[in-house]
Amino acid sequence: EADIYQTPRYLVIGTGKKITLECSQTMGHDKMYWYQQDPGMELHLIHYSYGVNSTEKGDLSSESTVSRIRTEHFPLTLESARPSHTSQYLCASSEFGTQETQYFGPGTRLLVL
Amino acid sequence: SQQGEEDPQALSIQEGENATMNCSYKTSINNLQWYRQNSGRGLVHLILIRSNEREKHSGRLRVTLDTSKKSSSLLITASRAADTASYFCATDASGANSKLTFGKGITLSVRP
Repeated sequence: EADIYQTPRYLVIGTGKKITLECSQTMGHDKMYWYQQDPGMELHLIHYSYGVNSTEKGDLSSESTVSRIRTEHFPLTLESARPSHTSQYLCASSEFGTQETQYFGPGTRLLVL
Repeated sequence: SQQGEEDPQALSIQEGENATMNCSYKTSINNLQWYRQNSGRGLVHLILIRSNEREKHSGRLRVTLDTSKKSSSLLITASRAADTASYFCATDASGANSKLTFGKGITLSVRP
């Protein structure tokens, strides 16, 4: 079982609300990732980080933002949630290197009404 | 375009049978990985095969890699109902600071 945690697991909110999805890992991994996944569909990388104070946008454009102030913590924020943001958000981490195994958290299911 | 694409999209077999899933990709890779995802959960890493390897085993899992055809297969032998899940291949492309690119996944149902 990977030591990577996501909270909340489920979130139902109204349009226009600001939300932050939390992700923490205790493995000391430098690399962290956020993926967006609709039910039964592929994963889309929306943000990643290679270390403290490093953040990059992923392959799928997202209105969310991320920060990496501490190695173990990689929160994702939506300033104004919309129904189109309804999805599952998966956080993952890996050690630095080219042959990387990614460890995933359990995911946050977001429903924006 | 998607780097890894799995085939078939869905597979239904009887418990005890073998399940074979395929993955094709487009560009050069450092390694190819297979992950499993149970419904509503995160992904779990199953096995990694490097570009200079042709076959790898882990328990009931056997993975092959054919870099000339840019394809991989995952074989699960003697399947169990607990193997019911979605399976994703992911490629780690060549190059510094490369990232994993996931396929669309294969839904495997193992009937008791």
